[in-house]
Amino acid sequence: DAGITQSPRHKVTETGTPVTLRCHQTENHRYMYWYRQDPGHGLRLIHYSYGVKDTDKGEVSDGYSVSRSKTEDFLLTLESATSSQTSVYFCAIRDSMNTEAFFGQGTRLTVV
Amino acid sequence: GQNIDQPTEMTATEGAIVQINCTYQTSGFNGLFWYQQHAGEAPTFLSYNVLDGLEEKGRFSSFLSRSKGYSYLLLKELQMKDSASYLCATLNTGGFKTIFGAGTRLFVKA
Repeated sequence: DAGITQSPRHKVTETGTPVTLRCHQTENHRYMYWYRQDPGHGLRLIHYSYGVKDTDKGEVSDGYSVSRSKTEDFLLTLESATSSQTSVYFCAIRDSMNTEAFFGQGTRLTVV
Repeated sequence: GQNIDQPTEMTATEGAIVQINCTYQTSGFNGLFWYQQHAGEAPTFLSYNVLDGLEEKGRFSSFLSRSKGYSYLLLKELQMKDSASYLCATLNTGGFKTIFGAGTRLFVKA
């Protein structure tokens, strides 16, 4: 299994509070991704990174920011959580172009 | 833009064959993935098609027609453990950005 760890695995937070999810990899893969998964929508790309300090927006980036200061860590921040951001968040990594991505175990976030 | 369509749910019988279709429209296409996802778990890679044609891998096969924007995943000799969601995903021209369809939930009954 690819060495990819998400933390926390579960979190309940209140509306309006900041939240940071962490994705940590031990594979030295170049590309890292954050997706959210909701019933009826499948996996939707939030942000991705193609190198240290190189990030770009995905399909549903509003309300989210990311940072990648080290190859192994990709952080997803909700500056002010809303109930619509209640979801399961998956991190994924990819070694090089045209290869498959490997997924972390997911973080279940509930915003109340 | 990107648009990926696949059936929401399918039901099949243990031991049978099932075909899950996926159609896509994309502004830049480099290849197509299939992933399997069991409830409450992470998606896992099944196949990747770049060229037209059929790729066979054990009980699973995947087909791609780039001109028609169409792919299917074929599962043979269905087992109960194949009950899962199957996700179709396109890879962009740059080769690193993956967009997923909503997934097809497959129920295998005895």
